[in-house]
Formats: sequence, C-alpha cells, structure tokens
Amino acid sequence: GAGVSQSPSNKVTEKGKDVELRCDPISGHTALYWYRQRLGQGLEFLIYFQGNSAPDKSGLPSDRFSAERTGESVSTLTIQRTQQEDSAVYLCASSLGRQGSILSSYEQYFGPGTRLTVT
Amino acid sequence: AQSVTQPDIHITVSEGASLELRCNYSYGATPYLFWYVQSPGQGLQLLLKYFSGDTLVQGIKGFEAEFKRSQSSFNLRKPSVHWSDAAEYFCAVGAGANFGNEKLTFGTGTRLTIIP
Repeated sequence: GAGVSQSPSNKVTEKGKDVELRCDPISGHTALYWYRQRLGQGLEFLIYFQGNSAPDKSGLPSDRFSAERTGESVSTLTIQRTQQEDSAVYLCASSLGRQGSILSSYEQYFGPGTRLTVT
Repeated sequence: AQSVTQPDIHITVSEGASLELRCNYSYGATPYLFWYVQSPGQGLQLLLKYFSGDTLVQGIKGFEAEFKRSQSSFNLRKPSVHWSDAAEYFCAVGAGANFGNEKLTFGTGTRLTIIP
C-alpha cells in the first residue's frame, strides 16, 4: 500500500517568508508526528497528533511554528517568518495510534521528508 | 527525560566484515528501543524493535540487536555487511507505556561507509 508522502520534497525560501509543508499519512493511521532533522543531528520531535485529541505541541521550538491536522488525514506544518536556523529536513511519520496496541502505536512509518533551505 | 547516545559518528567497514553499531540510552524503566536506517534520499526505515522478552531481537536485512539492561545498551550487529548497507543508522527510545506519549527520542546517528 501507499506509504507516508510529503510535499514538497525540497523548498528554498528567503528569510522572513512563511512556508507550508504537507504530510499525507498512511490510510487508517490515526497518529501523526512531525520531526526535524538538522544537518549532522538526530531527529528532534516537534508535534504529535492522535485522532481528535489535543495535539502534543511540546517540541515546537517557537511560536513561529504551528501545525494542523483535519481529522485523521493530511497535516500541514507552517513556519512563519522563516530564519536560517530553520533550515533542516522535516520528517513526518504516522502510526496506528490507538487503533492498535501501545506497541503498534510506537511503530512509526516515516515519509521521505521535506528539505527546507532558508537563504 | 530519556536520552540516546550513539558514540560513533562515522564507521567504515570492509564489505563482508562484521558490524557493530553502539547505542546507549538513559531511562529509568524498561524502554522501548528501535533501530532505523536512512539511506540517501530515503525516509527512515524501521530495522528492528525491542519491547520486552527475548533480549536478542532479529530485524530485516540480516540485522540483529541485543538489549543489555546492565549496560543500558542496545547495540546493532550484522555478521557480514553488504555494500548496500551503507547508510545512516539511528537508535531511538520510546518511554511512554500509555497512549498519548509515543514520541521517539533519537540519537544523533552513525554514518556507515562500506569499502570494497
């Protein structure tokens, strides 16, 4: 079946501009995660959606970052007034979440990522 | 809060040689442990996972990992590497035993280079 897809694959933007990154999770997956991967670093958790519950936004680095998800479908990560330090690969992942066991909820499937470059 | 350390930034191995990638975690209870592989231009792929039970777990592509509680380690091994194993490898820990806390904490990764 189809995996997690993300668009665009690459985005170059000027400092100060807003950007939107899109994630399409695997159909039937109720949990969706956004991570950031800076050059030479591990993945950094940003935000987590589970069904219609309030999202866990504890990883968002500043109020310039926000994300939305409608139901159990597409999610959009928005970065306002981009800064050079926002340059990174933004990865989306989905899992069965509460549709399955806690163990299956931890099995996250990742998309290919969006490489964001802020000039 | 949990943390993960991958002490080796870059490892070079000859094709056909054995491989061991190190991972140490910090967490008060039994964690959920994962190894992911990221090939160039690809998303992360789950190699294997440990939740409980047998401390030696088998994964895809001939990889295995052993959970050692006494050493807080979850090292990844492969008896004989192939050129296609060249990639970045990430160890991750999940600490929540209840729904609503399933975010993963990742190490900084180990880049594996294979030489002929």
